[in-house]
Amino acid sequence: QVQLQESGPGLVKPSQTLSLSCTVSGGSISSGGYYWSWIRQYPGKGLEWIGYIYYTGSTYYKPSLKSRVSISLDTSKNQVSLKLTSVTAADTAVYYCAREERQLGRSVDYWGQGTLVTVSS
Amino acid sequence: DIQMTQSPSTLSASVGDRVTITCRASQSISGWLAWYQQKPGKAPNLLIYKTSILESGVPSRFSGSGSGTEFTLTISSLQPDDFATYYCQQYNNFYTFGQGTKLEIK
Repeated sequence: QVQLQESGPGLVKPSQTLSLSCTVSGGSISSGGYYWSWIRQYPGKGLEWIGYIYYTGSTYYKPSLKSRVSISLDTSKNQVSLKLTSVTAADTAVYYCAREERQLGRSVDYWGQGTLVTVSS
Repeated sequence: DIQMTQSPSTLSASVGDRVTITCRASQSISGWLAWYQQKPGKAPNLLIYKTSILESGVPSRFSGSGSGTEFTLTISSLQPDDFATYYCQQYNNFYTFGQGTKLEIK
């Protein structure tokens, strides 16, 4: 059973960089056929895709966030990382890492439990 | 960006009711449409993918249909565990989620 677990600071100051890690167990992030995503959910409801990375290291970001986002893989730790620069209060959200099963077209079939990040001084 | 418009935003229903939630895409998404259920404090849970394929372990009272830009999620006979928030998602071009439908007990 694949499990994803996000970790990182729960409080980030405005203008600083938000950094989160996602540790994957029960499967290798180096396996083909999967995209590893970061998705956030604002207080209240809305879900927003931030970006994803393929095992080859190819990355795809939401255009409106592209200038501030970086997603990377650490295969030695089986982790997926997110960096979001120049954060503001508008970046306050629950951040999820997630896996898309691309080969069978199943979309996002595994999610982490999510981690709340608050941007505040 | 592909926009997803989901309706209604809130739906009040009773156990045993048949309910339908609609999702409209701003352009064709070639059937790459998924539905998720989310309960408070939990991550979304995949119910249906590729418009109508039921994820393993999901009860058969859930079904999805649609094509082009119009899609629906139907729950044939509501059970107490079904009261939650439901989201549609297109994954034809990156991802976009609908605004969510909160299914409440009447």
